[in-house]
Amino acid sequence: EPEVTQTPSHQVTQMGQEVILRCVPISNHLYFYWYRQILGQKVEFLVSFYNNEISEKSEIFDDQFSVERPDGSNFTLKIRSTKLEDSAMYFCASSEGRGRPLYGYTFGSGTRLTVV
Amino acid sequence: AQTVTQSQPEMSVQEAETVTLSCTYDTSESDYYLFWYKQPPSRQMILVIRQEAYKQQNATENRFSVNFQKAAKSFSLKISDSQLGDAAMYFCAYRSAGEFYFGTGTSLTVIP
Repeated sequence: EPEVTQTPSHQVTQMGQEVILRCVPISNHLYFYWYRQILGQKVEFLVSFYNNEISEKSEIFDDQFSVERPDGSNFTLKIRSTKLEDSAMYFCASSEGRGRPLYGYTFGSGTRLTVV
Repeated sequence: AQTVTQSQPEMSVQEAETVTLSCTYDTSESDYYLFWYKQPPSRQMILVIRQEAYKQQNATENRFSVNFQKAAKSFSLKISDSQLGDAAMYFCAYRSAGEFYFGTGTSLTVIP
């Protein structure tokens, strides 16, 4: 079964440093997403990306965050200057489309980011 | 705005027994999808079951079934014959066109 792959599985970074989280979506998917889950809290939507541009973003996704699809296969989330409160599990997801078809929306296994 | 509410932060069940996890949601959309995701200690998000709002029949996947009450905006998950491997966080989620909206989760403990 096709998978969404995220690397690394765990990253530790110093406060103020830039970090890039990487995702390889399923190859025929067109929509890409990042979600965040602070430890012990619910999963929250950050951003969706389609046709090489952001289609929607949440209030969490401020100027410190950016996304890009640099080479047609990877989908990255960059945090420019990490803060302690950025420590969380970050999930990438991809889907065939919006709304229907329902199937094919797949989450990656997550990257645990720890900011020290 | 869409909201998803899980009012049970923690639940426990004896092995082989049945447990029901509650979820309510709020939306003005008529066409949407509802999901239950399981998150074990590994923290991966694993799809358990999904329901299309236009379908009246409740979804079933082996030991997992839902009670979907569209008018009441309720979407509960029933786990039958609970197993030790069912212990995890369970998130109810809603999706209309794009992104998911998740509830705050229910931590399920299975007692041997």
